[in-house]
Amino acid sequence: AQSVTQLGSHVSVSEGALVLLRCNYSSSVPPYLFWYVQYPNQGLQLLLKYTSAATLVKGINGFEAEFKKSETSFHLTKPSAHMSDAAEYFCASEGNQGGKLIFGQGTELSVKP
Amino acid sequence: DAMVIQNPRYQVTQFGKPVTLSCSQTLNHNVMYWYQQKSSQAPKLLFHYYDKDFNNEADTPDNFQSRRPNTSFCFLDIRSPGLGDAAMYLCATSPRAGGVYEQYFGPGTRLTVT
Repeated sequence: AQSVTQLGSHVSVSEGALVLLRCNYSSSVPPYLFWYVQYPNQGLQLLLKYTSAATLVKGINGFEAEFKKSETSFHLTKPSAHMSDAAEYFCASEGNQGGKLIFGQGTELSVKP
Repeated sequence: DAMVIQNPRYQVTQFGKPVTLSCSQTLNHNVMYWYQQKSSQAPKLLFHYYDKDFNNEADTPDNFQSRRPNTSFCFLDIRSPGLGDAAMYLCATSPRAGGVYEQYFGPGTRLTVT
């Protein structure tokens, strides 16, 4: 069965430091992959998506992710964390699921001043 | 701006008292989804509509029902809410089901059951 794994349920970084949120997927076919962000008491907002057009995907708010087929990974990065980046981040895949997203467990990002 | 709207944002209901949550969209998307999200968990898909075609997840309790009277509106009915149904309920839309099409989420309705 298809699955998405996010390593680390909680990540804490200092303001200005590199943000790295890890996501691995399992699929026999490279899926479509998404990163969503969720602020407290809000819905999910799309940060970026991988659609096979390019392995390095740039998203909103300075985030980017690189698709690595050999590692079945789609890690999310941002060079310099900002206090406003503190939120829950979900990696998700869609691969022949008829629109059903397979979510990872989520990673809560904290940013220290 | 085109968007997904959920009303109310906060809903309190009593144990066993039916409750309806609503979702509307101005995106004119064909697909609408309902998710349940409990604290510190990922959203869990309850069901979705592709146009008028209703698709129920196998593990969605019978206590949960949905209606989509037209393209713009979708409702989630909880017939007899239990304490375990307290959660954030998220509505999402998509132009088509699957593939490259991301889902657009509303702000959610937080349901409290007393």
